[in-house]
Amino acid sequence: AQSVAQPEDQVNVAEGNPLTVKCTYSVSGNPYLFWYVQYPNRGLQFLLKYITGDNLVKGSYGFEAEFNKSQTSFHLKKPSALVSDSALYFCAVRHSNTGKLIFGQGTTLQVKP
Amino acid sequence: KAGVTQTPRYLIKTRGQQVTLSCSPISGHRSVSWYQQTPGQGLQFLFEYFSETQRNKGNFPGRFSGRQFSNSRSEMNVSTLELGDSALYLCASSLGTGGITEAFFGQGTRLTVV
Repeated sequence: AQSVAQPEDQVNVAEGNPLTVKCTYSVSGNPYLFWYVQYPNRGLQFLLKYITGDNLVKGSYGFEAEFNKSQTSFHLKKPSALVSDSALYFCAVRHSNTGKLIFGQGTTLQVKP
Repeated sequence: KAGVTQTPRYLIKTRGQQVTLSCSPISGHRSVSWYQQTPGQGLQFLFEYFSETQRNKGNFPGRFSGRQFSNSRSEMNVSTLELGDSALYLCASSLGTGGITEAFFGQGTRLTVV
């Protein structure tokens, strides 16, 4: 079955430190991968996507993600975390047959001052 | 450019009732998808509409239905509400179908079934 896994329910980092939110996927064919962020009582906001090309994708708010085909991973990264980055982060992959988005369970990022 | 608009934002219904949620996509977007978000199940795909046709459907009972109008606005209907239907319902619009272009989400409708 095609799926996405976010192995960490919560990630805690200190402000100014680098952050990584992990995502692995299982999909047939070439993956189309996305990261979204959700703030409390809000919808999801698009951060970045990988379709093809450079394995390092840059997105909104200073976030980037690294696509690793051999490890089937698409980890979200930021060199220097901000308290305002605290939110719920979702990784998603496009289902290769239906085209629908399959979301991971989400990872809560907590950035402490 | 206006974003995705969902109405109402909050809704309280009684078991057995039915409810209709509305979604207005970003201007020019023809694809609308619906998701249910709950703490236990996370984000689950309900269905996708493109040019008034349902393109994909998730694993939800027939009580959940939807439609899309010629102006791309979409409605989702849930009949015979159950307590377990309490959730945040999110609508997303995108330029095309097939999940290749990024989806833009509305703020959601928080449905509480009592």
